[in-house]
Parts: sequence; C-alpha cells; structure tokens
Amino acid sequence: GIQVEQSPPDLILQEGANSTLRCNFSDSVNNLQWFHQNPWGQLINLFYIPSGTKQNGRLSATTVATERYSLLYISSSQTTDSGVYFCAGGGSTLGRLYFGRGTQLTVWP
Amino acid sequence: KAGVTQTPRYLIKTRGQQVTLSCSPISGHRSVSWYQQTPGQGLQFLFEYFSETQRNKGNFPGRFSGRQFSNSRSEMNVSTLELGDSALYLCASSPQTWGPTGELFFGEGSRLTVL
Repeated sequence: GIQVEQSPPDLILQEGANSTLRCNFSDSVNNLQWFHQNPWGQLINLFYIPSGTKQNGRLSATTVATERYSLLYISSSQTTDSGVYFCAGGGSTLGRLYFGRGTQLTVWP
Repeated sequence: KAGVTQTPRYLIKTRGQQVTLSCSPISGHRSVSWYQQTPGQGLQFLFEYFSETQRNKGNFPGRFSGRQFSNSRSEMNVSTLELGDSALYLCASSPQTWGPTGELFFGEGSRLTVL
C-alpha cells in the first residue's frame, strides 16, 4: 500500500503563531484530503486537494502531485486549532484512503 | 443536509461477544467505507461498500464483516471480540460512484471498549 509520512509528529505553538504541516506520499495518489480530528474523535474535512492550492480563512493547503507531497498552512493560530491533523490519499483502489500518523498540534494562549 | 450518523457512539463489550455498528451516510451518497483507529496502528481501512456490494476490503480477519442495505445504510459486525478490537470505528460516505476514491465525509465514530 501507499506509505504516508507526516511531519512534524508534534507541534507546540503560542497563539498567533504560524505553522506548516507536511505530508509525503510513497506513491502517486489520485486524491488528497486534510482532516482535523476533534476531541470527540470526528474527522472534520479541511481540504480536498488532489493538486494546486486552496485557502479557507486562516488555513490554506498546497499539493504538488508530481512530487507527491502536500502542505497545510495555519496562520495566526488559535487555541481552537489544537488537535490532530491528518492527511490521507488514495490510489486506484476504490473507497480506500491511506492515512498518515497525524500531527498533534497544541496551541497555548 | 445531515452528516454521516453512526450508532451507538459508545459501547462496552466483553471478550467473546459480538458487536454490530451502524452507519447512515449523507443523503445521496452511495459509497460507505469503514475505518478502525487505534493508538498503535493509526487509521486503517476495513472495507468499502457501494450499491450493497463490497468493492474493497482491508487486511482484517474474517471476524470483521459488513453489509450495506438498499437505502445505503451500512452495518459492520465484529464477532468473537478480542481485547485488541478496542478502537474508534469510523464510517465515511462519499458521493463518488465509480473510479478512485473521491472526497470522504466521516461520522463521529463508535468507540468500542472490549473488557
């Protein structure tokens, strides 16, 4: 299967700081998603971004499909941004996403 | 539009018992997939269903099974529970009807504890 490497595994920031999370794939993926897992366990969709750049408020993401990586940018961090961020991608296998181990983000006030 | 709904949210079972988890996808979504999340293994794919057919299955023992009904609702069953089956079970639905996986939308999960 596809190996997904996320970095850094842990990130501690003070409120207002900016951060960049990275996701590398061992093989080409047809799709790529970023999720934020809330304290209750639900995976909240942040971006569906097979390629290119998207922005949503303080968050933006860039996927360079040819080089098999994606970046998630968080600007002006808030305490509510804390949690685990996952990236995931799928190959040609129906219904299946391969997940990274996540980045645990902690934002202090 | 309602999101993906999973029931029950929490449950406790003992070893050897069996459990059934339910998932109702977003209205209009016909693809439903299931994932297991544990601290040790992370998020792992269990299986995917579309139009009542299992199209893909992950590397789990036969104790893990599932099905999909004509209204796209899905259930998964784990028989002869083991301590290692304690996990968060996540269901996702997708509007994708064919080809590679499209965007997935996840439910809140069912947290299973096996004692």
